[in-house]
Amino acid sequence: EAGVAQSPRYKIIEKRQSVAFWCNPISGHATLYWYQQILGQGPKLLIQFQNNGVVDDSQLPKDRFSAERLKGVDSTLKIQPAKLEDSAVYLCASSLVEQGAGDEQFFGPGTRLTVL
Amino acid sequence: QKEVEQNSGPLSVPEGAIASLNCTYSDRGSQSFFWYRQYSGKSPELIMFIYSNGDKEDGRFTAQLNKASQYVSLLIRDSQPSDSATYLCAVNVRGRYSTLTFGKGTMLLVSP
Repeated sequence: EAGVAQSPRYKIIEKRQSVAFWCNPISGHATLYWYQQILGQGPKLLIQFQNNGVVDDSQLPKDRFSAERLKGVDSTLKIQPAKLEDSAVYLCASSLVEQGAGDEQFFGPGTRLTVL
Repeated sequence: QKEVEQNSGPLSVPEGAIASLNCTYSDRGSQSFFWYRQYSGKSPELIMFIYSNGDKEDGRFTAQLNKASQYVSLLIRDSQPSDSATYLCAVNVRGRYSTLTFGKGTMLLVSP
């Protein structure tokens, strides 16, 4: 079974530029998550999709971050414009249904973003 | 405010010893608890989850939960150098679309 795919693996941009990340979850997984992990911190949930609907985006900085999952499969996360403090690893995860019933979240390899 | 607290470490143990990793949480509505392992430069991987008070064992790993004290721990028996990693505690408040809140993680170093 293929795992969660993410691209690119690394990205370096200047502040105020825009950047987009892509995630393809495990086939059949209804729930998709985007996390931000700053060095030395645990992952922080940015947005959670159930199929193609947003169910939690309370910690997404909506003035600069956006995400979509149009067909309920793959997803993109965009930052525009980027700030220095956005330097982090962006992790995508998926689960079969909703986390909380012993349903494991599978993480992708992450995208390491450096904002200069 | 949902908070999950972990000692950042590093926790250093010799090979073969028992490593004890601790986590406290603030939200009494938390109902499921997860331990993830994260190697440096890698993504988190699930080790165990626990819902009920008491102990849950899986191989060399034992998760312990005390909801009254809002405390969850992970014991690693016969620690190996390959267990050296950061261990993330995560909690989930049950709801229709509940989400995971992660702690900062505890770094474990197992010396040969």
